[in-house]
Amino acid sequence: DAGITQSPRHKVTETGTPVTLRCHQTENHRYMYWYRQDPGHGLRLIHYSYGVKDTDKGEVSDGYSVSRSKTEDFLLTLESATSSQTSVYFCAMGPANYNEQFFGPGTRLTVL
Amino acid sequence: ELKVEQNPLFLSMQEGKNYTIYCNYSTTSDRLYWYRQDPGKSLESLFVLLSNGAVKQEGRLMASLDTKARLSTLHITAAVHDLSATYFCAVDLYGGYQKVTFGTGTKLQVIP
Repeated sequence: DAGITQSPRHKVTETGTPVTLRCHQTENHRYMYWYRQDPGHGLRLIHYSYGVKDTDKGEVSDGYSVSRSKTEDFLLTLESATSSQTSVYFCAMGPANYNEQFFGPGTRLTVL
Repeated sequence: ELKVEQNPLFLSMQEGKNYTIYCNYSTTSDRLYWYRQDPGKSLESLFVLLSNGAVKQEGRLMASLDTKARLSTLHITAAVHDLSATYFCAVDLYGGYQKVTFGTGTKLQVIP
């Protein structure tokens, strides 16, 4: 969706290194979310934010932290990347007109 | 803990045929969403179902919600190749924050 972008789109890193993924929206939505998508698991919520500096954990938050210092930016940090964090990461924003979420294009992260 | 199960996980069907994808969830909720994901792409919203008995239709797809049975269905009528994608249902248990739980997805392959 044009109103939400993610960077980088692809990243390869080594075990033990810190990684930060960025999500940027231009729609002024209050809520933002980070998910990871893995085969056989659908999408699983990592963290979400309900306002600037207001964040909470999702179901798979271990090993991840987030920050939201501005409405438009939601950062996901892997403090020390592990191979189990190899995944596709999606950012989303909401609520839209009917409470649905709009998703970003995704970031493919590979941890070697 | 909310569980959301979809079946089948994989569906291969011929063009022109009808079929139904099922989404069962474990905890009472009256908010359910359907998303579509094309290979290598992001998720896009298809339907938002916000009450018991809700029915939404778009082209060859029709979604319905039975909150008493904790079941939603996505019916495909006279399938065409362009409908090939992975379909996810997602249940919103907490209302205000749209903190949804996704099913594992149904990969639909429509064969010409």
